[in-house]
Amino acid sequence: DTEVTQTPKHLVMGMTNKKSLKCEQHMGHRAMYWYKQKAKKPPELMFVYSYEKLSINESVPSRFSPECPNSSLLNLHLHALQPEDSALYLCASSQAPGNSGNTIYFGEGSWLTVV
Amino acid sequence: ELKVEQNPLFLSMQEGKNYTIYCNYSTTSDRLYWYRQDPGKSLESLFVLLSNGAVKQEGRLMASLDTKARLSTLHITAAVHDLSATYFCAVVYTGNQFYFGTGTSLTVIP
Repeated sequence: DTEVTQTPKHLVMGMTNKKSLKCEQHMGHRAMYWYKQKAKKPPELMFVYSYEKLSINESVPSRFSPECPNSSLLNLHLHALQPEDSALYLCASSQAPGNSGNTIYFGEGSWLTVV
Repeated sequence: ELKVEQNPLFLSMQEGKNYTIYCNYSTTSDRLYWYRQDPGKSLESLFVLLSNGAVKQEGRLMASLDTKARLSTLHITAAVHDLSATYFCAVVYTGNQFYFGTGTSLTVIP
C-alpha cells in the first residue's frame, strides 16, 4: 500500500474562515510534507515533519499552521487566507529522513479556493 | 540557493520520435527523482537515481544521472500520446528536502 490520503479534495473558504486540510498515511513513513502548487508551476515545499517534529518551515506565513498529531497524520490549519493562497495543496510522505533512496509519495491533493 | 532548472519548459513532439528533457541543478546532491503529473492530478514517481552514472529505464522512458555535471536527462523513445503530461525532476537537499524543477509540459501529437 503506497497510499497517501488527503481530505477534502476540494475546499472553498472565505478570507475570515478557519478550515483544515488532513493527510493520512499507513506506510510507516516518518517524514511528512506539505507542498503548495499553483497552476502550471512546480510544487513548492512548505513544511517538513520528521518523527512528528517540525524540521523545516520554508518561511510560510503564519496563516498556515501545520500539525502532526501522530506518525500517520498531518494537518494543515488555515486561517485568514488570501485569494492568492488558492492552489493545490499536496501532502507527501517518505521513509525516515536521511535514508538513501527514499521515494516521496504524494497524495491526490486538496484544491483550495479562497474567496 | 538551490536552483533546479529543466529544459525545455514546453515540448510538442510527434508520435514515434525521440526527445530528451534536461534537468540541471545548482547544489551537490546524490539523489534525483523524476515525477509525472497529469492535468488535475497528483504526482507519480517514475525514477529514483541514487548515484553518478545511474541509468533507469521503464518502457519508453530512460533516465540518467551525472552528479559531476549536476545533470539528469529523461529520454523518450518512440513517443506515444499516453506520454503527454508534465514531467518534473526533483533534487534532495539536506536529507529530506525535495526541491522540484521547473517542469516540462510534454504534448505528443499524432
